[in-house]
Amino acid sequence: EPEVTQTPSHQVTQMGQEVILRCVPISNHLYFYWYRQILGQKVEFLVSFYNNEISEKSEIFDDQFSVERPDGSNFTLKIRSTKLEDSAMYFCASSPGPRNTEAFFGQGTRLTVV
Amino acid sequence: QKEVEQNSGPLSVPEGAIASLNCTYSDRGSQSFFWYRQYSGKSPELIMFIYSNGDKEDGRFTAQLNKASQYVSLLIRDSQPSDSATYLCAVESQAGTALIFGKGTTLSVSS
Repeated sequence: EPEVTQTPSHQVTQMGQEVILRCVPISNHLYFYWYRQILGQKVEFLVSFYNNEISEKSEIFDDQFSVERPDGSNFTLKIRSTKLEDSAMYFCASSPGPRNTEAFFGQGTRLTVV
Repeated sequence: QKEVEQNSGPLSVPEGAIASLNCTYSDRGSQSFFWYRQYSGKSPELIMFIYSNGDKEDGRFTAQLNKASQYVSLLIRDSQPSDSATYLCAVESQAGTALIFGKGTTLSVSS
């Protein structure tokens, strides 16, 4: 069964450092998303991406965040200068079209900022 | 700003019982509603989605939508211990490409 793959599964970084979280969406999917979940809290939307452009972003997705599809397979989330409050599980998702009914989530990257 | 509210629980039911999970949402214009299941430390998995008022059934799961009351529910019949998880209610954003999640209700099914 096709799946969304995220690497690494766990990343520890020092405050102020840049991190890149990587995702390989399902191969025929065209829409890509990042969500985050701070421990014990709700899943929060960060950004959606289609045709090499951001489709929608939340208030959380400020200037320290960026997304990129550097090649035909990877979809990345960059956090420029990490803060303690960026510690969370980050989920990538993809869907073949714009409808969330077909969105699949990856297993997540746990980011710990120390 | 769309809000989705859920009772955090825990909701405890015995094996074989019906579990009823509820969700309310703030935006009367919301059109699409989703139920996800999330096991501890894992990613959300889609259980069902519903667009129209009324009931939608899929196996042991029934989603119910009442747009007038801005209320969505999920019924799980013949609950199993493997159903023990956190159930997330979500609505689509106005732009339609994002999901707005509630905090989730933790369900515990005892054998």
